[in-house]
Amino acid sequence: QKEVEQDPGPLSVPEGAIVSLNCTYSNSAFQYFMWYRQYSRKGPELLMYTYSSGNKEDGRFTAQVDKSSKYISLFIRDSQPSDSATYLCAMSEIYTGFQKLVFGTGTRLLVSP
Amino acid sequence: KAGVTQTPRYLIKTRGQQVTLSCSPISGHRSVSWYQQTPGQGLQFLFEYFSETQRNKGNFPGRFSGRQFSNSRSEMNVSTLELGDSALYLCASSSQGDEQFFGPGTRLTVL
Repeated sequence: QKEVEQDPGPLSVPEGAIVSLNCTYSNSAFQYFMWYRQYSRKGPELLMYTYSSGNKEDGRFTAQVDKSSKYISLFIRDSQPSDSATYLCAMSEIYTGFQKLVFGTGTRLLVSP
Repeated sequence: KAGVTQTPRYLIKTRGQQVTLSCSPISGHRSVSWYQQTPGQGLQFLFEYFSETQRNKGNFPGRFSGRQFSNSRSEMNVSTLELGDSALYLCASSSQGDEQFFGPGTRLTVL
């Protein structure tokens, strides 16, 4: 079983929809939780990160971490066609910080106009 | 500010050969990490170098090695290539171990 599980999708939604992306994990030592976006033929880019539990909002994006359930989510409000990409969750332990990330396999999101 | 650059972008090799990939980090960044991305396994951490020293290592066989030079540029080497080594190899740099910035990757195909 992988340390981080993520539904590969694809997830298809109409423009303007609220998108919910999720990951589950098994390693209770994970303290940093990140979401990356990867467009085709590009490297991943960091969208948001949270440390430990709680919520974090940045524009149309909200990240949630529930450590008791070992479950993290990324919500995208008012989704746009330009949001079509693969979304990767990533996690790491406190002593490695942003390094030695453990990634989910990614969820492919398609937002249709 | 220039981003992370990786060369070459595409590479085709045959089984048993070796390959060297190069990564130039963002100017001023001293940490360079390498990841392997495949459809089945996703991104997997290979190793991280900071100031020419390997600081973290993933669970890959010894055929995968790397190094970092005094100008922070990094290379990774894969010896005795196997078909399963076909993947996108991503390099990421960071300043002090904080947010990582990824390059576009090198697509390696092993025939």
